[in-house]
This record gives sequence, structure tokens and C-alpha cells, in this order.
Amino acid sequence: QKEVEQDPGPLSVPEGAIVSLNCTYSNSAFQYFMWYRQYSRKGPELLMYTYSSGNKEDGRFTAQVDKSSKYISLFIRDSQPSDSATYLCARPLTDSNYQLIWGAGTKLIIKP
Amino acid sequence: ETGVTQTPRHLVMGMTNKKSLKCEQHLGHNAMYWYKQSAKKPLELMFVYNFKEQTENNSVPSRFSPECPNSSHLFLHLHTLQPEDSALYLCASSQDLTSSSYNSPLHFGNGTRLTVT
Repeated sequence: QKEVEQDPGPLSVPEGAIVSLNCTYSNSAFQYFMWYRQYSRKGPELLMYTYSSGNKEDGRFTAQVDKSSKYISLFIRDSQPSDSATYLCARPLTDSNYQLIWGAGTKLIIKP
Repeated sequence: ETGVTQTPRHLVMGMTNKKSLKCEQHLGHNAMYWYKQSAKKPLELMFVYNFKEQTENNSVPSRFSPECPNSSHLFLHLHTLQPEDSALYLCASSQDLTSSSYNSPLHFGNGTRLTVT
């Protein structure tokens, strides 16, 4: 069983729409999760992280964790064509460990 | 230059060739990593170096050989590769290995797209 699962997409939405990107995980013993964003022909970059106890908002982006259903979500409000990228979710191997368990990523396309 | 720089951007090699991938970071970080990214698969951690010492080798075949001469430079030497080794190879760095992943996030280069023919 995969540790972190994501729908690979692509997910195509019109500009201005609210986007919901999701991950499911199988092991609930961790306190935080991360979202990385990867533009085409670029390396991933950390977008935001969130603890498993609630939501975190950063501008148009909100990260949310639902521990009961083992679901991680990233919401993008007022989506822009510049948000088109692959979004990777990840969790640490252990809370104090540098190693990450990655999802395969969801490709997002925002149509102008 | 800033950030993490990888060369070459693209590499096509035959199965009998020997080539090397280069990574350089200008962030003053102490830890460096090699990852393999294949289409629609999670990132695979290959090697980790901390203060030039290898700390991780995730059962990577010996046809991949890493080298870390100093904290700023990382190489991946390739020989007798297989077509299934075709992928994007990403180098990353972080401040160190003692902090949690969110305190010491990974900074990635733009990768080398490797095609083995």
C-alpha cells in the first residue's frame, strides 16, 4: 500500500475557480505535512506546510488536514494561469526525520 | 549564481557510456541529496550527504556512483545504465539533517533529464 496517494490528474479548471487538491495517507502518526509545487522543467519548491491539528492559510492558498479520514487538502482561491504546475504532497518519515515520503503529484492546469 | 544549479539539463547516453551529472549549491547548506523522478511516480531518494559524508544509500544499483568533494558540490557518476534508468534526476540541498523537514526544507535544482538508449 502506498504511503501517500494523489490523483495524477491532470486537473483542468478555468481561471478564477477554487481548486481543491487532495492527498490520502495511510499512517496517521505524523504531526505535519508539506506541499511542494513544481513548475514545468523546474525542480519542486516548498509551498507550505501544515500541522495535522488544523488549517493553515497563506494568501490564496489554504492547507487542511483531516486526521479522521486521513485526508490532506490544498485549496487555491482565485486560481491564476501562473498556478499551473504539479503539486506534490509529502510527510516526514518521522516527525524529527529529514526524509520525506512523497505523493506522485497532481498536475494542475488553469485555463485563461 | 544563487540556489542549486544542475548540469547538464539534458543528457542522452547509450547503455555502454559513462557520464556524470553535476550539482552545485550556493546556499551555504550542509546536506545534499540525489533524487530520481519518474513520470507519475513519487520522488525516490537515492543518496544523501551531510558535511561531505554519505549518510544514505537507498539500495541504489552500483551503476550509479555519487561523489561529494565538498559541501557545495555533488556528482552522480553513471555507467552501463539501463533504459529504465531514464528519468529526471534532481539534486537538492538543505541546511542540515538535524532539523525537521519543514525547518530545513529542501531546495531543488531544475534537474537533468536523462535518456538512456
